[in-house]
Amino acid sequence: EVQLVESGGGLVKSGGSLRLSCAASGFTFSPYTMNWVRQAPGKGLEWVSSINGRSNYIYYADSVKGRFTVSRDNAKNSLYLQMNSLRAEDTAVYYCARDLAVAGRYFYGMDVWGQGTTVTASS
Amino acid sequence: QSALTQPASVSGSPGQSITISCIGTSSDVGAYNYVSWYLQHPGKAPKLLIFDVTSRPSGVSNRFSGSKSGNTASLTISGLQAADEGDYYCSSYTTRSTRVFGGGTKLTVL
Repeated sequence: EVQLVESGGGLVKSGGSLRLSCAASGFTFSPYTMNWVRQAPGKGLEWVSSINGRSNYIYYADSVKGRFTVSRDNAKNSLYLQMNSLRAEDTAVYYCARDLAVAGRYFYGMDVWGQGTTVTASS
Repeated sequence: QSALTQPASVSGSPGQSITISCIGTSSDVGAYNYVSWYLQHPGKAPKLLIFDVTSRPSGVSNRFSGSKSGNTASLTISGLQAADEGDYYCSSYTTRSTRVFGGGTKLTVL
């Protein structure tokens, strides 16, 4: 079964740090572009970051640039998000999501999502 | 990076068709044919319905269809069913190689 499982969320003081992990299983992880998407309580989806299979194309939303760092370990089938200088507005459910692939072609649509991990940044 | 603009809510009766709009700019929706649509039920992860403006992933009903004109993309749901109720989000790839989501549209099936 194709699956993504996030972990590492929790309660952290504003200004603190947290590292999220996303464990992939059921598919060959290395070729896929992976994304982090978050959803604040009662709000809509917000794209946070994406990283391609070789980790040579990495992009961030302006709201997290300079504070968050995305990385991956293809040998461990894992995606990470290091979050520093956390603010109250970073409070959200964080999802990892895989970009769609069909017949060896890759697309800008996220077809597999984890269940999410909750981050609460509070003063 | 402003969010794409969607109506806050739409509604329809079972069997009817509804359309949800998604307004962007020439830097996102209008720049490429890389618009996708998602359905999210309460407490659940989003589900991909449409990618590349008009394409459906395997397993998604053909009652869902997408289109685009200029900076505006649209999702049409035909033969509305109770299970279609939920929050719909559009998303686009941008000229900065980032992604942007719409604010979301709550669909109510009357």
